Amino acid sequence: EMQLLESGGGFVQPGGSLRLSCAASGFTFSTYALSWVRQAPGKGLEWVSAISGDGSSTYYAKSVRGRFSISRDNSKDTLYLQMNSLRAEDTALYYCAKGLTTAMGVWGKGTTVTVSS
Amino acid sequence: DIVMTQSPDSLAVSLGERATINCKSSQSLLYSPDNNNYLAWYQQKPGQPPKLLIYWASTRESGVPDRFSGSGSGTDFTLTISGLQAEDVAVYYCQQYYTTPCTFGQGTKLEIK
Repeated sequence: EMQLLESGGGFVQPGGSLRLSCAASGFTFSTYALSWVRQAPGKGLEWVSAISGDGSSTYYAKSVRGRFSISRDNSKDTLYLQMNSLRAEDTALYYCAKGLTTAMGVWGKGTTVTVSS
Repeated sequence: DIVMTQSPDSLAVSLGERATINCKSSQSLLYSPDNNNYLAWYQQKPGQPPKLLIYWASTRESGVPDRFSGSGSGTDFTLTISGLQAEDVAVYYCQQYYTTPCTFGQGTKLEIK
């Protein structure tokens, strides 16, 4: 069974940093692009960032470009999201999902990020 | 960026009846070289991650009941739930994966009348 498991969320003050992780299992990790999608409390889905299977190409939403950095370690089947200069509007449940130029067929349960003073 | 607009924002349908959700994209999602529409539908129940229902606009994901169907091409798409069941109460999202940033519709909340 294909699975994704996020971790690393937490409470941080504005301007702070967090690194999210997403551990994958049940599929050939390096074959697939992966995305981070977030959902603010009571709101809809917002794609944040994505990375190609080999890690050579990365993509960002305008709202996070320059502050967030996506990476992956294919030897550990793990996806990362380094989030710097966090703002209140970054508060959300962060999902990792399998896919970018394909539909997102596998999602993790998410990890919560709260940015507040 | 491609803007995805769903209608209605909310919908109440009686059990056993048909629910129809529309999704319009600001530009065509039909990629001529492969003749595919890069459009997906997701279902999200409270406290759960989204679940893929439909991809390529009309292909049902494995394990999804056949009462869920997708149609449309270009810029106009529809998700139809035939014979609504209580477990279909959820928020439904369309999403384009034609280009980055991939974008989602605002969501349609489906309830039982």
